[in-house]
Amino acid sequence: EIVLTQSPGTLSLSPGERATFSCRASQRVGSSYLAWYQQRPGQAPRLLIYGASTRATGIPDRFSGSGSGTVFTLTISRLEPEDFAVYYCQQYGSSPSITFGQGTRLEIK
Amino acid sequence: EVQLVESGGGAVRPGGSLRLSCAASGLNFDDYGMSWVRQAPGKGLEWVAGINWNGDSTGYADSVKGRFIISRDNAKNSLYLQMDSLRAEDTALYHCAKYGSGSFLYFYYYIDVWGKGTTVTVSS
Repeated sequence: EIVLTQSPGTLSLSPGERATFSCRASQRVGSSYLAWYQQRPGQAPRLLIYGASTRATGIPDRFSGSGSGTVFTLTISRLEPEDFAVYYCQQYGSSPSITFGQGTRLEIK
Repeated sequence: EVQLVESGGGAVRPGGSLRLSCAASGLNFDDYGMSWVRQAPGKGLEWVAGINWNGDSTGYADSVKGRFIISRDNAKNSLYLQMDSLRAEDTALYHCAKYGSGSFLYFYYYIDVWGKGTTVTVSS
């Protein structure tokens, strides 16, 4: 099973700043099958990025994903107030299971 | 608009059973793989089980293998999770989740639509 480790655990930033989230896999993620989700308090997760770098429908272009192999990054270029939430990475390139990272909390500084 | 609405959650004693249901609308249901993902209170996301378009390919997390069964009824646009031998650690919010485009053959994929979830509490 591929283990995903996200860092940092908590990110404290101000609106307008740039946010960078890291997701490291214990083994190579096949075909860059890596997704990112945002979860606001009391809400279901929302897909942001799939295939490591493809934005989902309706996701603003301030969100971008990159990486391959075992190291992946989600970047928010300029934080808006609604971006403060928890972010999860997920790999889907390795049968027989999907795994999620433990999450990074983005809080207002 | 695609909607997923879960039902069937509740409180049950350890060793008991529950059957969760998910009603899907706004999509060609049999074009997509589907899954259940849970979130324990204050914790992260955990994939529970997945199923491909016609149910002949399924997968489970090790934590539920042998106790839970995922199934679907395409004629009813519905997804199910039969949960037996429930344990305290199964307490969580259970989300029904739809896989993205191109997923119909797979029981594991990225998730592009999530239901709001149904709560399962296992306690004596």
